[in-house]
Amino acid sequence: NAGVTQTPKFRVLKTGQSMTLLCAQDMNHEYMYWYRQDPGMGLRLIHYSVGEGTTAKGEVPDGYNVSRLKKQNFLLGLESAAPSQTSVYFCASSSLLIQGEGNTGELFFGEGSRLTVL
Amino acid sequence: RKEVEQDPGPFNVPEGATVAFNCTYSNSASQSFFWYRQDCRKEPKLLMSVYSSGNEDGRFTAQLNRASQYISLLIRDSKLSDSATYLCVVTQLSGGSYIPTFGRGTSLIVHP
Repeated sequence: NAGVTQTPKFRVLKTGQSMTLLCAQDMNHEYMYWYRQDPGMGLRLIHYSVGEGTTAKGEVPDGYNVSRLKKQNFLLGLESAAPSQTSVYFCASSSLLIQGEGNTGELFFGEGSRLTVL
Repeated sequence: RKEVEQDPGPFNVPEGATVAFNCTYSNSASQSFFWYRQDCRKEPKLLMSVYSSGNEDGRFTAQLNRASQYISLLIRDSKLSDSATYLCVVTQLSGGSYIPTFGRGTSLIVHP
């Protein structure tokens, strides 16, 4: 029972290089999210998607792009990495949140991807 | 001002103690509320949802006060294994969808 899988788990980049983080979920969830976590800052939302083919900006979208071509996959791209993008990246997914209590909309997280930009 | 605020702590308590955390949110239209637990260098995991009537799960009690816009988490009879960071999560309407927003977390250290 895989849940949410992120690849790669670790990566070191040089400034200016590009890379893509892959998130895959097998729970048929509609919503998917990319967060970054830095010391003392908590989790901040980069981009999210409410369904296949849709994406939207979160709190800190600059320097990142995303795509959701398939419902189960959510890709996070860094076109030109900067040291400020050194962070731990978490992908999460959830079922459709229905207004009102009773539907928890629980977030399921991947194990995280640790990215260092030199 | 961050939309979801928590005291970062750390809260340093002995085993068996009772400890309480609060979390305030700024958007009165917030829909759902949760407490997540995050262990060091691990992903967050759901601890419990928070309902208007209050809810309890073993040693953990969560409450919501919509009028004052805060949620709380009470841990009774603390265990060493409760040491972790506790994240407050509030879902808010954004662009027609309810999106989770995290607080920065409250660190709990339970010592022998």
